[in-house]
Amino acid sequence: DAGVIQSPRHEVTEMGQEVTLRCKPISGHNSLFWYRQTMMRGLELLIYFNNNVPIDDSGMPEDRFSAKMPNASFSTLKIQPSEPRDSAVYFCASSFREGEAFFGQGTRLTVV
Amino acid sequence: GQSLEQPSEVTAVEGAIVQINCTYQTSGFYGLSWYQQHDGGAPTFLSYNALDGLEETGRFSSFLSRSDSYGYLLLQELQMKDSASYFCAPNSGNTPLVFGKGTRLSVIA
Repeated sequence: DAGVIQSPRHEVTEMGQEVTLRCKPISGHNSLFWYRQTMMRGLELLIYFNNNVPIDDSGMPEDRFSAKMPNASFSTLKIQPSEPRDSAVYFCASSFREGEAFFGQGTRLTVV
Repeated sequence: GQSLEQPSEVTAVEGAIVQINCTYQTSGFYGLSWYQQHDGGAPTFLSYNALDGLEETGRFSSFLSRSDSYGYLLLQELQMKDSASYFCAPNSGNTPLVFGKGTRLSVIA
């Protein structure tokens, strides 16, 4: 398996634009996580899906953020409208076993 | 609520042993995971403790005390390549794998 695949790897966008980050989890994994990492706040859990169903989205910063998992092999994280403070590295991770998750290489988002 | 504490930075000498402590408060606690992240890279899984005691994997060991809400990661025979950030992550029912800012380990010659 190729591991968790995220796209794009880098994204530069202007404030106010819509940004969509994509994730393909490892086949057979039933849990999917979206994280955001910054120097100030560390690695924050944004949302957690189990069997394609959102279980905990309490980490989603505000209504500008939304995440979907239409099927077991695809998830998106959308920011609309984007703001400079959203600049961060966004990681997707998938898991089939408690405590052990596999991370994608991340998307480095810069909002100017 | 949830809380998580680990030192922000640790420096150790190549060949030495270093222990990175983690204390947590998590409702519905299942177990404690440890992850390593090199600069510019993604976090990678190191170990998971669901039961009290010590788990050993090569040069790395992880310990958990559920009654003390405490765990640690022990790295032996430190190598320069061990310089990275290390995260403990409590696992609970509906909010698994909550990370924090991690501990930045610098291994010096």
